[in-house]
Amino acid sequence: GENVEQHPSTLSVQEGDSAVIKCTYSDSASNYFPWYKQELGKGPQLIIDIRSNVGEKKDQRIAVTLNKTAKHFSLHITETQPEDSAVYFCAASPSLRNNDMRFGAGTRLTVKP
Amino acid sequence: DTAVSQTPKYLVTQMGNDKSIKCEQNLGHDTMYWYKQDSKKFLKIMFSYNNKELIINETVPNRFSPKSPDKAHLNLHINSLELGDSAVYFCASSYVGQPQHFGDGTRLSIL
Repeated sequence: GENVEQHPSTLSVQEGDSAVIKCTYSDSASNYFPWYKQELGKGPQLIIDIRSNVGEKKDQRIAVTLNKTAKHFSLHITETQPEDSAVYFCAASPSLRNNDMRFGAGTRLTVKP
Repeated sequence: DTAVSQTPKYLVTQMGNDKSIKCEQNLGHDTMYWYKQDSKKFLKIMFSYNNKELIINETVPNRFSPKSPDKAHLNLHINSLELGDSAVYFCASSYVGQPQHFGDGTRLSIL
């Protein structure tokens, strides 16, 4: 089955700096890669996603890149703000039904004011 | 508000008891899921269900059973609770092939 690895497990940046979180996956059949943000006491919230027919996607300060050959994808947050502090999860799904979505172990991002 | 809502938010109970967690979504989605998040924040899918099929993660003990009275609800029943069942349980929903929307979780603590 799919195995998703995520690095780093913790990341601390100064406000205004960029943050990058990287994930690798094992199943070449994976074709859907969402990123979730989880704040304390809340459920994961989708912030951006990418499908395997696209190499990069951007939404304001957030961007995701996908390298299918190397089986890795990354989340980039620019101009970080304290409210970006949260746990971020990458995930990969080898089917359109998403019933076997596998999550990375999470990255705790802290943005210092 | 359109959302995935779970009840209760907190559940504290004794080992050996049977308990249920309820989940409702008003997003019109056709598929619902249950996830378990352990103390290290690791998220693992337990079940996915739509009106046609239930898919069970093979590592889930058969003490856990999802029950869906209708398309908008997927409840989780747990029999003979064990200490290792302590975790946060998340319900989610989606259209087939579309992003999943998560509830805010139920924190289950077994004494």
